[in-house]
Amino acid sequence: AQSVTQLDSQVPVFEEAPVELRCNYSSSVSVYLFWYVQYPNQGLQLLLKYLSGSTLVESINGFEAEFNKSQTSFHLRKPSVHISDTAEYFCAVSDSLGYALNFGKGTSLLVTP
Amino acid sequence: DTAVSQTPKYLVTQMGNDKSIKCEQNLGHDTMYWYKQDSKKFLKIMFSYNNKELIINETVPNRFSPKSPDKAHLNLHINSLELGDSAVYFCASSQGAEIGELFFGEGSRLTVL
Repeated sequence: AQSVTQLDSQVPVFEEAPVELRCNYSSSVSVYLFWYVQYPNQGLQLLLKYLSGSTLVESINGFEAEFNKSQTSFHLRKPSVHISDTAEYFCAVSDSLGYALNFGKGTSLLVTP
Repeated sequence: DTAVSQTPKYLVTQMGNDKSIKCEQNLGHDTMYWYKQDSKKFLKIMFSYNNKELIINETVPNRFSPKSPDKAHLNLHINSLELGDSAVYFCASSQGAEIGELFFGEGSRLTVL
């Protein structure tokens, strides 16, 4: 079964600093990878996805993630974070049918002034 | 207009009771899901329906029974509630062609006393 591992449960960072949230996947077949964000007391929202093509994918709010097949990773980065980026971030992997996502355990990003 | 709406948002009940959570989506999607998020924020898929047909049924106690009267609705009924059922339950929907793009409701927090 496909799965993802998020290596950090909490990442504290100062405002305007860069951040990287790590995600590794395990799969012997083609994978589709996703990052979701959950703001406090809300449902999850899709941040970005990798299905095929360019290994670098970007979101509209400045996050990017790079699919690295040799390292089986899909790390999420942002060069300068804002207070409003404080949230729980989930990495997820889907099978080819896309009927189910398997989520990692989440990384809590806390941005402080 | 809320795309995926769940009711109730909060539910506090006694052990042994039976309760239901309702979910409706107005996105015209053909697939709906129930996810359970535990106190450590771990998300696990419970069920998935595609065009009212059950396609994913993870290892969930048979006290949990999903019902899809039409493809816009997916309700979750839980019998004989136990303390361990306390969690946030998320409904989500997706369109089959859009792999992994799930739209989540805001969650229903169930507390079993």
